[in-house]
Amino acid sequence: EAQVTQNPRYLITVTGKKLTVTCSQNMNHEYMSWYRQDPGLGLRQIYYSMNVEVTDKGDVPEGYKVSRKEKRNFPLILESPSPNQTSLYFCASSFLSGQPNEKLFFGSGTQLSVL
Amino acid sequence: TQLLEQSPQFLSIQEGENLTVYCNSSSVFSSLQWYRQEPGEGPVLLVTVVTGGEVKKLKRLTFQFGDARKDSSLHITAAQPGDTGLYLCAPCYGNNRLAFGKGNQVVVIP
Repeated sequence: EAQVTQNPRYLITVTGKKLTVTCSQNMNHEYMSWYRQDPGLGLRQIYYSMNVEVTDKGDVPEGYKVSRKEKRNFPLILESPSPNQTSLYFCASSFLSGQPNEKLFFGSGTQLSVL
Repeated sequence: TQLLEQSPQFLSIQEGENLTVYCNSSSVFSSLQWYRQEPGEGPVLLVTVVTGGEVKKLKRLTFQFGDARKDSSLHITAAQPGDTGLYLCAPCYGNNRLAFGKGNQVVVIP
């Protein structure tokens, strides 16, 4: 089954404790992206990647890191989480055909709480 | 900076009623997608519209892309409880990056 898999689904942590949220897709997609979703603010893009070893900042990259060492994986790293990073996080992927508006496939989300 | 507004933010209706939600931008966009997000899940693509004035139908859902390419609407006929969800519009402003609206939360009461 074609899917984007995020882990974990739920995570509670404390300020300053480094964490990684994993994302993997099995569709051979070039494009991958991370979003956070907050009440009243909608979905905002954190980082995206057009291909292996190519990553770019989205609209809200501060406090986050990503890597794209393999095509299928795009982990999100919070080196020193803070309470304002409490949010619902989504990973997404798509083909990169050069056409705008390729279909984005989303994972089921990771609810992160930073105490 | 483009301003993107979805209205109404929240809409509650009875099963069988019709509804329309809107997506308006301060800037022209090249194309637009509509996604639906159900509780506990990620958004799922419903439709992509690329031509000004275009109308697309998906069963009881009708999507319209404004002639000026700055707005879009989603009309649901005879809403069902399964239509409940957060509807997100996502215009593409020509830089191959999507911008998501804050969403229209629709609740259909049985």
